Amino acid sequence: TAGITQAPTSQILAAGRSMTLRCTQDMRHNAMYWYRQDLGLGLRLIHYSNTAGTTGKGEVPDGYSVSRANTDDFPLTLASAVPSQTSVYFCASSPAGATFYGYTFGSGTRLTVV
Amino acid sequence: AQSVTQLDSQVPVFEEAPVELRCNYSSSVSVYLFWYVQYPNQGLQLLLKYLSGSTLVKGINGFEAEFNKSQTSFHLRKPSVHISDTAEYFCAVMSGSARQLTFGSGTQLTVLP
Repeated sequence: TAGITQAPTSQILAAGRSMTLRCTQDMRHNAMYWYRQDLGLGLRLIHYSNTAGTTGKGEVPDGYSVSRANTDDFPLTLASAVPSQTSVYFCASSPAGATFYGYTFGSGTRLTVV
Repeated sequence: AQSVTQLDSQVPVFEEAPVELRCNYSSSVSVYLFWYVQYPNQGLQLLLKYLSGSTLVKGINGFEAEFNKSQTSFHLRKPSVHISDTAEYFCAVMSGSARQLTFGSGTQLTVLP
């Protein structure tokens, strides 16, 4: 089934450790996004990429980095995790074109930093 | 800048009753508006969207929403809810040339038997 695959599904991480959340899509969408979901705050944009080779900062980029070496993959890296990064992380994608139809979302990664 | 306000964080309603989930947005330019649904421990699914044209938009599972430009609202409605509609609902807006969605804080709809 076409879509977005996120890995891992969940993770417990010690503070100070690094981690990369993986996101792969097979729809050949140009744009990809990382959001974090926190209770009462909805989803907030961390980083985005409009096309392979380019990235941009969203609303809450501090402590996170991304890369976009090809169309399909958009990994999110936490260089030195802190407890405030405990959250559910969603990757999403959207195609290019004159009309914007919204995102396709992955199933999320639940991260707990202790 | 664009923003979205979902006025109710929780909405309990009895089965087969009507429901309205409220959403207001702010943007200085024309907008695209979306409602997403999130079932427990799942990702977000697109419920419906307004891009242009008719202000009444119909989506999946019997939901509909009405775009009201003068009131900057995009409320979601369903005439008769089911237990299976229990989920969190997010309103989102995209405006301008940046293809990035801004989400509201979500409304938890709980349908009671």
